[in-house]
Amino acid sequence: GQNIDQPTEMTATEGAIVQINCTYQTSGFNGLFWYQQHAGEAPTFLSYNVLDGLEEKGRFSSFLSRSKGYSYLLLKELQMKDSASYLCASLDSNYQLIWGAGTKLIIKP
Amino acid sequence: IAGITQAPTSQILAAGRRMTLRCTQDMRHNAMYWYRQDLGLGLRLIHYSNTAGTTGKGEVPDGYSVSRANTDDFPLTLASAVPSQTSVYFCASSLLAGGTYNEQFFGPGTRLTVL
Repeated sequence: GQNIDQPTEMTATEGAIVQINCTYQTSGFNGLFWYQQHAGEAPTFLSYNVLDGLEEKGRFSSFLSRSKGYSYLLLKELQMKDSASYLCASLDSNYQLIWGAGTKLIIKP
Repeated sequence: IAGITQAPTSQILAAGRRMTLRCTQDMRHNAMYWYRQDLGLGLRLIHYSNTAGTTGKGEVPDGYSVSRANTDDFPLTLASAVPSQTSVYFCASSLLAGGTYNEQFFGPGTRLTVL
């Protein structure tokens, strides 16, 4: 079956660094997406990885290891506005996104 | 219109009633999607359309139908609503259905309660 696993909730301190992990098992693989979703709002795109390695985009970076079925999202210099849910999604062989349940990130001052 | 819009924003519906959720995008995206989001679960795909005139079933299609008469509109219909269809419904679109072009843009969502 298809499965995406990520922690349910994480807590971090403003100004710190946090890493949100995601493991995936899907029928075929055409890339890994990360989205941010603030409470009561729609998801918004953060990153897409299809090759192994680290993609950096400002304070956010995303890493992929296809052989391990593993990805992480790294958030640096955390700000209060980063409090949100972070959704991991794998694009399967039918080009459909399979979504994890999301990781709720709580930032404390 | 800028981006993707959904209507209504929220709705309370009696069980057994028919309901159509509307979705319109002005980005000329080929692919469109309907998801439901329930607490503790990931987004689940209901139906999708890779291009105007075609539709396909997602993970949880039962009780829902869609049509794609043109590029911009992708309505979702609940023929006879049941309480288990209480959820937040998101419409999304992407330029194409594949690879990096699968970056999906989401509408603001419709919060539906079926009593």
